[in-house]
Amino acid sequence: EAQVTQNPRYLITVTGKKLTVTCSQNMNHEYMSWYRQDPGLGLRQIYYSMNVEVTDKGDVPEGYKVSRKEKRNFPLILESPSPNQTSLYFCASSPMGVGEQYFGPGTRLTVT
Amino acid sequence: AQSVTQLDSQVPVFEEAPVELRCNYSSSVSVYLFWYVQYPNQGLQLLLKYLSGSTLVESINGFEAEFNKSQTSFHLRKPSVHISDTAEYFCAVSDIGGTSYGKLTFGQGTILTVHP
Repeated sequence: EAQVTQNPRYLITVTGKKLTVTCSQNMNHEYMSWYRQDPGLGLRQIYYSMNVEVTDKGDVPEGYKVSRKEKRNFPLILESPSPNQTSLYFCASSPMGVGEQYFGPGTRLTVT
Repeated sequence: AQSVTQLDSQVPVFEEAPVELRCNYSSSVSVYLFWYVQYPNQGLQLLLKYLSGSTLVESINGFEAEFNKSQTSFHLRKPSVHISDTAEYFCAVSDIGGTSYGKLTFGQGTILTVHP
C-alpha cells in the first residue's frame, strides 16, 4: 500500500530532551516536507526537501532540524524541545513537489 | 508570498442542507488549488484539486469547487451534506514556478459540523 508513515504517533517529553520523529514514504517521491498544525493557524511548513541531500527552510524552521540521506526517509529532529513546540506534526511527500501532497497520519507531540 | 483565508472558522448545518465553505487566496504567480479534509483524529486527505483546465472540479463524494481567478477564490460546495461529512476542511495553494517551490500554504481551516 502506498503510504507515508510516521513514528511515533504520540509523544510526551520534557523540555530539552532531544527527540526524533521519523517519516518514511514508499512511493519513490522526490519531494518531502514537514508541517505543524496548531488550532486556528492551519498547517505551517517547517522544512522541505526537493531531493536527497537537498533541504530548505519553510515558514517556521526555528528549533527544528531535518536530514535527507535517503530518498524514502525524512526525519524531523528537535535538539532541545520547548513547550511552544507542542503541536500536531505531519510529514508529506509528493512526486514532483508541485501538485498534491500525500500526508502521514500525524504525530502529536507534547513538551512539558 | 502566497496566503490563504478561509472566511469561516466553523460552519454548522443540518443534514441534507447545502453548504459552502469559502476560500480566498493571494499570490503573485499562478497557483494550484486544493481542498483537504481531516476527519477527527486522522491525517489529511485530498478532497479535490485544481491544476488546470475546467474551473469546476468535483470529488467522488459529491463536493465541488470552482476556481474563480478574477475573485481569487476557490469555494467548496456540496448540495446536500451527510453526517459523515463532519470534519475540518483546509484550503491550500501551491505556487507554480514561484520561489516557494512545492510549498503548500494552508488556510486556517473550517470545521463543518453536520447535525441530524
